Amino acid sequence: QKEVEQNSGPLSVPEGAIASLNCTYSDRGSQSFFWYRQYSGKSPELIMFIYSNGDKEDGRFTAQLNKASQYVSLLIRDSQPSDSATYLCAVMNTGFQKLVFGTGTRLLVSP
Amino acid sequence: DGGITQSPKYLFRKEGQNVTLSCEQNLNHDAMYWYRQDPGQGLRLIYYSQIVNDFQKGDIAEGYSVSREKKESFPLTVTSAQKNPTAFYLCASSITGTEYQPQHFGDGTRLSIL
Repeated sequence: QKEVEQNSGPLSVPEGAIASLNCTYSDRGSQSFFWYRQYSGKSPELIMFIYSNGDKEDGRFTAQLNKASQYVSLLIRDSQPSDSATYLCAVMNTGFQKLVFGTGTRLLVSP
Repeated sequence: DGGITQSPKYLFRKEGQNVTLSCEQNLNHDAMYWYRQDPGQGLRLIYYSQIVNDFQKGDIAEGYSVSREKKESFPLTVTSAQKNPTAFYLCASSITGTEYQPQHFGDGTRLSIL
């Protein structure tokens, strides 16, 4: 079992829709969870982080965390074509020394 | 502007050659990291350092070496022992001492074999 799992996609949504990206992790002791966006050919940029169970909102982005189910998700409301990218889920391992990344979900937002 | 600078942006390696990728940060971060990304793949950790003059192997350290002589600098050498070096190499840095420590990335170096 991979430490951090994401559906590779592509996830296709029309402009203006809600995109839902999901991530599961295996280390039950993990405490910190991060979402990065990576455009093709570019480096990852941090867009959201969450530490507590529940929802955390930042503009059009909402991160959701359920530690009991070992599940973290990212919702993008009012999706725009500029949101088309690969979204990487990253989990801080127990001991706080390194991030473990999923392989990413490719999102395509069509006009 | 504070940030992480990686150089060069593109690098070509000949057979049997060692090459060094530069990573410099002026964010005053204690921790620095090197990742490798292959097409369509996630990031895999090569080496990381949480303090000057100390570093640890990540998941794929074979064929690579690093040094951390200064807080600001964490160069990565891809040795001739790394038989498949073609990849996108990313350097990152973060603060330490807390689990709430997002990593921030440089723009990356693309390495190819001639």
